[in-house]
Amino acid sequence: SQTIHQWPATLVQPVGSPLSLECTVEGTSNPNLYWYRQAAGRGLQLLFYSVGIGQISSEVPQNLSASRPQDRQFILSSKKLLLSDSGFYLCAWKPPGMNTEAFFGQGTRLTVV
Amino acid sequence: SQKIEQNSEALNIQEGKTATLTCNYTNYSPAYLQWYRQDPGRGPVFLLLIRENEKEKRKERLKVTFDTTLKQSLFHITASQPADSATYLCALSLSGNTPLVFGKGTRLSVIA
Repeated sequence: SQTIHQWPATLVQPVGSPLSLECTVEGTSNPNLYWYRQAAGRGLQLLFYSVGIGQISSEVPQNLSASRPQDRQFILSSKKLLLSDSGFYLCAWKPPGMNTEAFFGQGTRLTVV
Repeated sequence: SQKIEQNSEALNIQEGKTATLTCNYTNYSPAYLQWYRQDPGRGPVFLLLIRENEKEKRKERLKVTFDTTLKQSLFHITASQPADSATYLCALSLSGNTPLVFGKGTRLSVIA
């Protein structure tokens, strides 16, 4: 069966520090991968998605970036965090090209102080 | 611009009643629409999917309708229970490879 792992679960980082959040999927090949952010009291905002290794589409211009170095690995990064980067970050995957549901990781609660 | 709106930010209902949540969209022609449940501090969990050529879908106490003319989906929970209390999100996609776009969600509280 397929599983998605996202870590860490919580993170407190100072303003200006770097960020690296990792997401891995097991039990499937060539998944579509997504990073969403959910700010307090707001909906899920799509940040990045990828349909293959090295293919990244950015939805929102900001100081975050994403990379997909391997088929089932998706990384969200920042060189210098801002206070506004605080939020709940969710990684998700979906089978490619299929009208099916998305599967979400447990999420990372990031607080920038 | 494209918009997805879930009309109620919060909805309180009595245990045993039917909860009805609404999702409206504009400037989309979605291939399918999905509903998810999200508990505090957790990722969303898929509940139901309905395609553009389907009018209604059921799963146990859940029912979803999809009206492409009104550009609206209704999500019903019958015989609601306190354990149904959560935030419910609707999501749209234009095709299998385009990302899901989510509404802001409705926080449902079922009161015993």
